[in-house]
Amino acid sequence: GAVVSQHPSRVICKSGTSVKIECRSLDFQATTMFWYRQFPKQSLMLMATSNEGSKATYEQGVEKDKFLINHASLTLSTLTVTSAHPEDSSFYICSAPAGTYGYTFGSGTRLTVV
Amino acid sequence: KNQVEQSPQSLIILEGKNCTLQCNYTVSPFSNLRWYKQDTGRGPVSLTIMTFSENTKSNGRYTATLDADTKQSSLHITASQLSDSASYICVVSARVNSGYALNFGKGTSLLVTP
Repeated sequence: GAVVSQHPSRVICKSGTSVKIECRSLDFQATTMFWYRQFPKQSLMLMATSNEGSKATYEQGVEKDKFLINHASLTLSTLTVTSAHPEDSSFYICSAPAGTYGYTFGSGTRLTVV
Repeated sequence: KNQVEQSPQSLIILEGKNCTLQCNYTVSPFSNLRWYKQDTGRGPVSLTIMTFSENTKSNGRYTATLDADTKQSSLHITASQLSDSASYICVVSARVNSGYALNFGKGTSLLVTP
C-alpha cells in the first residue's frame, strides 16, 4: 500500500533555531501533501496544503513565514519551522491522498523546543 | 459548521472484553467516513472507510457501522487486546470545490488493561 515516510520522528532544538521535517511518498507520487499539528489530547489541525510545483496554501492563523513548506518533487514535501519557540512544540504529521478515498499519514514528528 | 463529535472521550476496559466507540457528525456534503487508530507518538493508521451507501465494514476484530440518515457511526472492537490501547479517531470527509476536506474528531482514548 501507499506509504509516507516522515523524518525525523523526534527532534529537540534550541529556541531560535530552525527545524526541517521531511515527508516522502515511497511507492506513489504525492502531488498534494497535507501538514497537520496535533496538541496533546486534541484532534489533528490542518496547517497547510502543499502542492508540487506551486505555493502552499495555509490555513487561517498559520504564519507562512514561520512554517515554510516546500514541495519540489512528486515524492518529497518538507516543513521547516523557522525561529522555533517553545510554543511551537507539538506533534507534526503529514498526509497524502492515496487511492480513491484514502489518505495515508506519516508517522509523525515530535518537536520539542527548549 | 462541520463538526465531528466522538464519545466517550476515554475508556478503560479489561483485556478480552468488547467495546463500542461512537461518532456523530454534522458534515455536509458527506463523502465518506473513516476510523483511524493512532498509537501514542505515531501517525494515524486507517482501520475502515465507508461511503454513503455502506452500513457496515469489518477489518479483523474491528467493525464499523454507519447510519447516514442519523449521521452516526460506531466502531466495535471485539475481544480486545493490550495492543488495542490507542486513540481512535473518526474522520468525516466533505466534498469541496477543490476536492475533499477532512473533519477530524478529537478521538477516544482506549486503554486495555490485563
